[in-house]
Amino acid sequence: DVKVTQSSRYLVKRTGEKVFLECVQDMDHENMFWYRQDPGLGLRLIYFSYDVKMKEKGDIPEGYSVSREKKERFSLILESASTNQTSMYLCASSGRGQGATEAFFGQGTRLTVV
Amino acid sequence: GDSVTQMEGPVTLSEEAFLTINCTYTATGYPSLFWYVQYPGEGLQLLLKATKADDKGSNKGFEATYRKETTSFHLEKGSVQVSDSAVYFCALSYNTNAGKSTFGDGTTLTVKP
Repeated sequence: DVKVTQSSRYLVKRTGEKVFLECVQDMDHENMFWYRQDPGLGLRLIYFSYDVKMKEKGDIPEGYSVSREKKERFSLILESASTNQTSMYLCASSGRGQGATEAFFGQGTRLTVV
Repeated sequence: GDSVTQMEGPVTLSEEAFLTINCTYTATGYPSLFWYVQYPGEGLQLLLKATKADDKGSNKGFEATYRKETTSFHLEKGSVQVSDSAVYFCALSYNTNAGKSTFGDGTTLTVKP
């Protein structure tokens, strides 16, 4: 069974802390993504990566960075957490090539910044 | 740019009622279309997909047909169950960058016994 695993289901952090959200996939997928999900705003893409050590900004990258040192792992970093980053964070991965390869999602990390 | 518009929710139905959730899209190319479902406390999972015009995707009693002429991909189910209560997302993506999807805002469905 294909799997995308996020390291935490729930996190509570203080304003100004550096926060790491980890995501691991076991499908040998090239593409990995970080989204945030907020009520009434749907899913918004933060960053994505098409290959190891490669990253591209999504629609809302401000306040975030990412790291992809290994193919299976994609980390989202909040350099200095703020209360407006309280949200649900979803990691996803997908394959590459012809055909409609859908995205596979992790279970989500609900982050609260206090 | 691309966009996906879903009917606003929340939607509340009685068990065994007919379900339609409308989805229309604006695309610069010829995307594939998807419906994802998110159960409470979980991530998204693929419900069904269609890769080209007039394709019908189906799964678990849900269906959606890719209508290029009306740029629509409406989700339907003939008889909903309480277990179908979830948030439903319509999305599009392209073969060249599958996974980098454009999502609708989601529609919350509650089915009452």
